Formats: sequence, C-alpha cells, structure tokens
Amino acid sequence: DIMMAQSPLSLSVTPGESASISCRSSETLLKNSRYNYLDWYVQKPGQSPQVLIYLASTRASGVPDRFSGSGSGTDFTLKISRVEAEDVGVYYCMQVRQTPFTFGQGTKLEIK
Amino acid sequence: QITLQESGPTLVKPTQTLTLTCTFSGLSLNTGGTAVVWVRQPPGKALEFVALIYWDDDKRYSPSLESRLTIARDTSGNQVVLTMNNMDPMDTATYYCAHMLSTDTTGYFDLWGRGTLVTVSS
Repeated sequence: DIMMAQSPLSLSVTPGESASISCRSSETLLKNSRYNYLDWYVQKPGQSPQVLIYLASTRASGVPDRFSGSGSGTDFTLKISRVEAEDVGVYYCMQVRQTPFTFGQGTKLEIK
Repeated sequence: QITLQESGPTLVKPTQTLTLTCTFSGLSLNTGGTAVVWVRQPPGKALEFVALIYWDDDKRYSPSLESRLTIARDTSGNQVVLTMNNMDPMDTATYYCAHMLSTDTTGYFDLWGRGTLVTVSS
C-alpha cells in the first residue's frame, strides 16, 4: 500500500492569514509522466468529505481560488490563502494512483 | 439532482454480517470512467478506503478487509451493495459511499453520501 503522511496534524490560523498543509507519499503518485494522482478533501464539522483539489493542482468545481494545490512525485502542498471562518474542518490528502486508495491522517484547521 | 444515500442497519452484533446499500440517482454506474466506492471512518479517526466497483464491474478491496468483503451492483444499475461478514467492534464506523470519476486523466470522489453510522456491539 502507498502510505500517506500529513503535517501538521493541527493548525490554528487567524482569519485573513494563509495556511499550508503538507502531504507526503511513500511512492511516486506521478503516472504516465504527466499526472499526479493526489486529491485533497475537507470534512467540515458534521458533514461528509468534499473534494477541493484533484490531480494535485486542479480545483474542483465551485471551490474558491483561495485554495491551491501544488507538488509532484511524493511531496504535495495544499495552501489556503486568506483563511475564513468557514474553512474550519479536517483536511485530508488521498492518493488514487493505485488501489487500495489511501488517506493521510488528516489535518485539523481551527480559527483563532 | 444527483444524490447518493447509504442505508442499512445501525447496530449489528459481533460475528454477524453487515449489508449496506448505496442508492444513487441522477447518475449511472453504466457510464465509462465511473465507480462507486465505500469509505469508512471510525469515530474521531481518519477516513479509510474499504471497497470499490468500477463501471465495467472490476472490483477492488482493502487488503486488510478483503477476505470479509463483497461489493456488487444490482441489475437496475442504481444500487451498489457492500457486505462485510464476521463483524467486530473495531468495525464500528460511519460508512460512506461516494461516486468516483476515474479515467486516465482524472481520479477523484466528486459526490459523497451523508454516511451511515454502524455500531458493532452485543
């Protein structure tokens, strides 16, 4: 299985500031020398997860441009610019390079 | 409107078999490049992949659970059933079904159900 490791596991951010979450995989998520099969999801309190980013850097439909994904191979980052109160939740990276798909441990974002 | 909804028992006893159904509308598992996946989340813990069935009936399972799992689609094409036998208290979790877009140029879960909490206890 491909192991996924996120850091930090929690962070507290002042509204208007930015936040970054790192995700590292135990194997490359690059396929066909072109696409990195890495997604980012957020699970807001009491809700189901929802997709933010797929293929490492493509924003899903309806996701604000404050959210951006970057990285390639085994190292990836989710950046949230101008954090808002509604961004509270747990953020997960997930690899879909191969089954079994695997998730990171989750990063809990709180607002100061 | 596109929806997915999980249904099944909320309480099962240890050693019993769990059967969960994912019913979806507004989309079809007969469409190429799609799949339905089951993901679970123990209380307070992270998400965990359980099983997946592709539009072409290819099935994949979590290696740690594979011997206990079966995933199948019904003939109507709008339900996917997951069965897990020999349930244990460690299987207590919220079980989500999700729709996946899976092609050579993409791969993500675009729609999730609300989840169903399954408790395993005698």
